[in-house]
Amino acid sequence: DQQVKQNSPSLSVQEGRISILNCDYTNSMFDYFLWYKKYPAEGPTFLISISSIKDKNEDGRFTVFLNKSAKHLSLHIVPSQPGDSAVYFCAASDHTDKLIFGTGTRLQVFP
Amino acid sequence: GAGVSQSPSNKVTEKGKDVELRCDPISGHTALYWYRQRLGQGLEFLIYFQGNSAPDKSGLPSDRFSAERTGESVSTLTIQRTQQEDSAVYLCASSLWRLNTGELFFGEGSRLTVL
Repeated sequence: DQQVKQNSPSLSVQEGRISILNCDYTNSMFDYFLWYKKYPAEGPTFLISISSIKDKNEDGRFTVFLNKSAKHLSLHIVPSQPGDSAVYFCAASDHTDKLIFGTGTRLQVFP
Repeated sequence: GAGVSQSPSNKVTEKGKDVELRCDPISGHTALYWYRQRLGQGLEFLIYFQGNSAPDKSGLPSDRFSAERTGESVSTLTIQRTQQEDSAVYLCASSLWRLNTGELFFGEGSRLTVL
Protein backbone atom coordinates (compact mmCIF):
# COMPACT_ATOMS: atom_id res chain seq x y z
CA ASP A 1 0.00 0.00 0.00
CA GLN A 2 1.72 3.15 -1.25
CA GLN A 3 0.74 5.88 1.19
CA VAL A 4 2.65 8.60 -0.63
CA LYS A 5 2.34 8.69 -4.39
CA GLN A 6 4.16 10.60 -7.07
CA ASN A 7 2.36 9.68 -10.25
CA SER A 8 4.73 11.41 -12.65
CA PRO A 9 8.01 9.51 -12.90
CA SER A 10 9.60 12.25 -14.95
CA LEU A 11 9.24 15.90 -15.91
CA SER A 12 11.09 17.98 -18.45
CA VAL A 13 11.10 21.79 -18.19
CA GLN A 14 12.88 24.55 -20.02
CA GLU A 15 15.29 26.72 -18.05
CA GLY A 16 13.57 29.81 -16.63
CA ARG A 17 10.12 28.22 -16.64
CA ILE A 18 8.19 26.90 -13.67
CA SER A 19 8.54 23.27 -12.57
CA ILE A 20 5.57 21.78 -10.75
CA LEU A 21 6.00 18.45 -9.02
CA ASN A 22 2.98 16.75 -7.54
CA CYS A 23 2.41 14.38 -4.67
CA ASP A 24 -0.68 12.66 -3.26
CA TYR A 25 -1.10 10.88 0.04
CA THR A 26 -3.71 8.61 1.52
CA ASN A 27 -3.08 8.68 5.27
CA SER A 28 -5.06 11.46 6.96
CA MET A 29 -2.81 11.16 10.03
CA PHE A 30 0.11 12.68 8.16
CA ASP A 31 0.79 16.13 9.57
CA TYR A 32 4.20 17.05 8.25
CA PHE A 33 5.36 16.97 4.65
CA LEU A 34 8.79 17.34 3.12
CA TRP A 35 10.53 17.42 -0.21
CA TYR A 36 13.97 15.95 -0.76
CA LYS A 37 16.24 16.23 -3.76
CA LYS A 38 18.59 13.47 -4.87
CA TYR A 39 21.50 13.60 -7.29
CA PRO A 40 22.94 10.36 -8.72
CA ALA A 41 25.23 8.46 -6.35
CA GLU A 42 24.37 10.79 -3.48
CA GLY A 43 21.97 10.56 -0.59
CA PRO A 44 18.79 12.66 -0.64
CA THR A 45 19.05 16.17 0.77
CA PHE A 46 16.29 18.11 2.49
CA LEU A 47 14.73 20.86 0.40
CA ILE A 48 11.64 22.28 2.03
CA SER A 49 8.87 21.26 4.42
CA ILE A 50 5.35 22.21 5.41
CA SER A 51 3.23 21.55 8.47
CA SER A 52 -0.41 20.60 8.10
CA ILE A 53 -1.45 23.83 9.83
CA LYS A 54 -0.21 25.75 6.80
CA ASP A 55 -1.16 25.66 3.15
CA LYS A 56 1.95 27.30 1.74
CA ASN A 57 5.62 27.59 2.55
CA GLU A 58 8.13 29.49 0.48
CA ASP A 59 11.92 29.42 0.44
CA GLY A 60 13.56 31.35 -2.34
CA ARG A 61 12.74 29.73 -5.66
CA PHE A 62 10.94 26.84 -3.95
CA THR A 63 7.34 26.90 -2.76
CA VAL A 64 5.36 24.00 -1.39
CA PHE A 65 1.56 24.05 -1.44
CA LEU A 66 -0.62 21.77 0.68
CA ASN A 67 -4.26 20.99 -0.03
CA LYS A 68 -5.41 18.90 2.93
CA SER A 69 -8.91 18.27 1.67
CA ALA A 70 -7.52 16.80 -1.52
CA LYS A 71 -4.59 15.13 0.27
CA HIS A 72 -2.33 16.71 -2.29
CA LEU A 73 0.85 18.73 -2.19
CA SER A 74 2.99 20.26 -4.86
CA LEU A 75 6.43 21.75 -5.17
CA HIS A 76 6.91 24.76 -7.42
CA ILE A 77 10.35 25.76 -8.61
CA VAL A 78 10.56 29.10 -10.34
CA PRO A 79 12.60 29.95 -12.26
CA SER A 80 13.93 26.47 -12.98
CA GLN A 81 17.68 26.10 -13.45
CA PRO A 82 19.76 23.29 -15.00
CA GLY A 83 21.24 22.59 -11.55
CA ASP A 84 17.74 21.68 -10.36
CA SER A 85 17.88 18.55 -12.50
CA ALA A 86 17.58 15.70 -10.01
CA VAL A 87 15.09 13.23 -8.58
CA TYR A 88 12.62 14.83 -6.18
CA PHE A 89 11.00 12.82 -3.42
CA CYS A 90 7.91 13.79 -1.52
CA ALA A 91 7.78 12.50 2.06
CA ALA A 92 5.22 12.55 4.85
CA SER A 93 5.26 11.93 8.54
CA ASP A 94 2.81 11.44 11.35
CA HIS A 95 3.57 11.84 15.04
CA THR A 96 5.56 8.60 15.06
CA ASP A 97 8.64 10.19 13.45
CA LYS A 98 8.58 7.65 10.64
CA LEU A 99 9.10 9.32 7.29
CA ILE A 100 7.31 7.75 4.33
CA PHE A 101 8.68 8.57 0.90
CA GLY A 102 7.08 8.59 -2.52
CA THR A 103 8.60 6.94 -5.58
CA GLY A 104 10.20 10.13 -6.85
CA THR A 105 9.96 12.35 -9.92
CA ARG A 106 12.97 12.87 -12.15
CA LEU A 107 13.17 16.53 -13.16
CA GLN A 108 15.23 17.55 -16.14
CA VAL A 109 15.75 21.25 -16.80
CA PHE A 110 17.09 21.91 -20.28
CA PRO A 111 18.60 25.16 -21.61
CA GLY B 1 32.47 12.96 11.31
CA ALA B 2 31.15 15.69 9.10
CA GLY B 3 28.38 13.61 7.57
CA VAL B 4 26.69 10.24 7.64
CA SER B 5 29.13 7.58 6.57
CA GLN B 6 28.15 4.19 5.19
CA SER B 7 30.22 1.16 4.37
CA PRO B 8 30.75 -0.66 2.16
CA SER B 9 29.76 1.64 -0.66
CA ASN B 10 29.42 -1.38 -2.93
CA LYS B 11 28.88 -5.02 -2.08
CA VAL B 12 28.45 -7.92 -4.48
CA THR B 13 27.52 -11.22 -2.89
CA GLU B 14 26.22 -14.61 -3.81
CA LYS B 15 22.69 -15.70 -3.03
CA GLY B 16 22.49 -17.32 0.37
CA LYS B 17 25.39 -15.41 1.93
CA ASP B 18 25.02 -13.03 4.88
CA VAL B 19 25.92 -9.36 4.58
CA GLU B 20 26.47 -6.57 7.08
CA LEU B 21 26.03 -2.91 6.24
CA ARG B 22 27.38 -0.25 8.54
CA CYS B 23 26.24 3.29 9.26
CA ASP B 24 28.11 5.97 11.19
CA PRO B 25 25.67 8.80 11.89
CA ILE B 26 26.55 12.41 12.51
CA SER B 27 27.99 12.75 16.00
CA GLY B 28 25.32 13.65 18.53
CA HIS B 29 22.39 12.63 16.37
CA THR B 30 20.05 10.50 18.42
CA ALA B 31 17.74 9.29 15.65
CA LEU B 32 18.94 6.91 12.94
CA TYR B 33 16.97 5.55 10.01
CA TRP B 34 17.48 2.80 7.45
CA TYR B 35 15.82 2.92 4.04
CA ARG B 36 16.33 0.98 0.85
CA GLN B 37 15.79 1.92 -2.75
CA ARG B 38 15.29 -0.80 -5.29
CA LEU B 39 15.94 -0.01 -8.92
CA GLY B 40 13.31 2.37 -10.27
CA GLN B 41 11.47 2.59 -6.98
CA GLY B 42 11.13 5.02 -4.11
CA LEU B 43 12.69 4.97 -0.69
CA GLU B 44 11.30 2.13 1.39
CA PHE B 45 11.38 2.57 5.16
CA LEU B 46 13.03 -0.31 7.02
CA ILE B 47 13.64 0.68 10.64
CA TYR B 48 14.52 3.61 12.83
CA PHE B 49 16.27 4.04 16.16
CA GLN B 50 15.85 6.57 18.93
CA GLY B 51 19.06 6.16 20.87
CA ASN B 52 19.73 2.43 20.88
CA SER B 53 16.06 1.45 20.82
CA ALA B 54 14.03 0.69 17.71
CA PRO B 55 10.43 1.89 18.28
CA ASP B 56 9.38 0.82 14.81
CA LYS B 57 10.66 -2.28 13.05
CA SER B 58 7.59 -2.64 10.86
CA GLY B 59 9.44 -1.99 7.65
CA LEU B 60 11.84 -4.90 7.88
CA PRO B 61 10.84 -7.12 4.92
CA SER B 62 11.42 -10.46 6.61
CA ASP B 63 13.07 -12.13 9.57
CA ARG B 64 16.24 -12.36 7.50
CA PHE B 65 16.71 -8.65 8.18
CA SER B 66 17.90 -7.32 11.51
CA ALA B 67 19.49 -4.14 12.76
CA GLU B 68 21.15 -2.94 15.88
CA ARG B 69 22.61 0.24 17.20
CA THR B 70 25.15 0.61 19.98
CA GLY B 71 26.44 3.54 21.99
CA GLU B 72 23.78 5.72 20.37
CA SER B 73 26.15 5.79 17.44
CA VAL B 74 27.04 3.11 14.90
CA SER B 75 24.30 0.96 13.43
CA THR B 76 24.58 -2.32 11.56
CA LEU B 77 21.97 -3.72 9.19
CA THR B 78 22.37 -7.46 8.71
CA ILE B 79 20.77 -9.48 5.94
CA GLN B 80 20.98 -13.22 6.34
CA ARG B 81 20.72 -15.73 3.50
CA THR B 82 20.53 -12.98 0.90
CA GLN B 83 18.13 -13.29 -2.02
CA GLN B 84 18.24 -11.58 -5.39
CA GLU B 85 15.30 -9.36 -4.44
CA ASP B 86 17.46 -7.89 -1.67
CA SER B 87 19.52 -6.11 -4.33
CA ALA B 88 19.09 -2.39 -3.68
CA VAL B 89 20.80 0.72 -2.39
CA TYR B 90 20.55 0.79 1.39
CA LEU B 91 20.46 4.31 2.76
CA CYS B 92 21.12 5.39 6.30
CA ALA B 93 20.06 8.77 7.70
CA SER B 94 20.33 10.51 11.04
CA SER B 95 18.72 13.47 12.71
CA LEU B 96 19.45 15.47 15.81
CA TRP B 97 16.36 14.50 17.73
CA ARG B 98 12.80 14.23 16.65
CA LEU B 99 11.68 14.69 13.10
CA ASN B 100 10.33 18.18 13.53
CA THR B 101 12.47 20.12 11.13
CA GLY B 102 12.88 17.78 8.21
CA GLU B 103 16.60 17.72 8.71
CA LEU B 104 17.23 14.09 8.01
CA PHE B 105 20.80 13.76 6.82
CA PHE B 106 21.44 10.86 4.46
CA GLY B 107 24.59 8.95 3.69
CA GLU B 108 25.55 8.04 0.14
CA GLY B 109 24.21 4.54 0.54
CA SER B 110 25.50 0.99 0.25
CA ARG B 111 24.74 -0.64 -3.08
CA LEU B 112 24.07 -4.35 -2.61
CA THR B 113 24.01 -6.72 -5.55
CA VAL B 114 23.00 -10.31 -4.93
CA LEU B 115 23.95 -12.65 -7.76
